[in-house]
Amino acid sequence: GDSVTQMEGPVTLSEEAFLTINCTYTATGYPSLFWYVQYPGEGLQLLLKATKADDKGSNKGFEATYRKETTSFHLEKGSVQVSDSAVYFCALSDELNTGFQKLVFGTGTRLLVSP
Amino acid sequence: GAVVSQHPSWVICKSGTSVKIECRSLDFQATTMFWYRQFPKQSLMLMATSNEGSKATYEQGVEKDKFLINHASLTLSTLTVTSAHPEDSSFYICSARGVPYLLNQPQHFGDGTRLSIL
Repeated sequence: GDSVTQMEGPVTLSEEAFLTINCTYTATGYPSLFWYVQYPGEGLQLLLKATKADDKGSNKGFEATYRKETTSFHLEKGSVQVSDSAVYFCALSDELNTGFQKLVFGTGTRLLVSP
Repeated sequence: GAVVSQHPSWVICKSGTSVKIECRSLDFQATTMFWYRQFPKQSLMLMATSNEGSKATYEQGVEKDKFLINHASLTLSTLTVTSAHPEDSSFYICSARGVPYLLNQPQHFGDGTRLSIL
């Protein structure tokens, strides 16, 4: 079945450092890929998405490129802020192939940014 | 746009009590809503998918009689945890997809409900 693998956290960075959170996926079809962010005590917010190979999703300084050849969707940000501290979830939806609307989530990566 | 409201945000109750959690789409019509459970420092586990006007589809291992889901309108779905016990304590999150129907649409999430059973 479809699956998403994320790097284990926590990722601890100083403010203004460069961020990369790795995400790879396994899917039989052509999934759409998403990054969601969860702040403490809250639900998930969609951060960015990409629906086909070579698409780049971007939002709030974060970006991720859909790489079909490496089945990856790594999240990057050039300069993190303390306010970026949260848990980041990579997810896929393979609705066209599976007929199901469900999202498949990775295990999440906690990011801690210190001043 | 695409705001999902979940209520209550926190509930503490005695063992044996039934608890109802509401999930509302405030500015769009949600044909499909999803209910997730999240354990501390873990990912989200899909419990069930509900389509307006029809029975919910439960994931394997989720007890239908324990977690009752109703999706009576295009803006409201409810999850009732019946006869709750301490092992049901968790963070429950709902999400919704809107109309018109598009493949691989993002889901919009509520802020979650923290349920604590004493």
